[in-house]
Amino acid sequence: QVQLVQSGSELKKPGASVKVSCKASGYTFTSHAMNWVRQAPGQGLEWMGWINTNTGNPTYVQGFTGRFVFSVDTSVSTAYLQISSLKAEDTAVYYCARDGSGSNDFWGQGTLVTVSS
Amino acid sequence: SYELTQAPSVSVSPGQTASLTCSGDKLGDKYACWYQQKPGQSPVLVIYQDSKRPSGIPERFSGSNSGNTATLTISGTQAMDEADYYCQAWDSNTRVFGGGTKLTVL
Repeated sequence: QVQLVQSGSELKKPGASVKVSCKASGYTFTSHAMNWVRQAPGQGLEWMGWINTNTGNPTYVQGFTGRFVFSVDTSVSTAYLQISSLKAEDTAVYYCARDGSGSNDFWGQGTLVTVSS
Repeated sequence: SYELTQAPSVSVSPGQTASLTCSGDKLGDKYACWYQQKPGQSPVLVIYQDSKRPSGIPERFSGSNSGNTATLTISGTQAMDEADYYCQAWDSNTRVFGGGTKLTVL
């Protein structure tokens, strides 16, 4: 069965960096792109962009350029989201979600990133 | 940038039909999908490619998409259907979410 297992919650200080992992299993990792989605506390879902897991080529949505980096390690079927120069407004749950047939068909459990001094 | 509009909240009585709408420019030219999210949980796909149900999703969930509006219909709504519902527009360059609708079953 398809599973996306994300790394655990993180508490970071402003200006620090964080790297969230998303380990895939139950399917061929490189056959589906991976999307990243942010959900701020009490807010809706926000698509951040996606990464071609075959080529490693990322696409970022406006508002998620510069400090956000998507990457993959195909040897361990894992996608990564790195955020640098963290700000308080980056506090959110970050989800990885598999790019399926016209949808995000499988989601990770989410990783809470809290930015606080 | 592309935008989708959903009503913030919808209320329905148990056993009745709930209709949740999602509006966007020429949305019918794209695929629409819908997610259910309960508090503290990850979103779950309930409709993809406008009207298809993933395995395990009850038949009471159905979808349509035409013109500028996609609709999620829940027939015979149950208390367990109370949740936030998000639409998403899908094409080669777009994966935009709507703002979400909170469905209350009372």
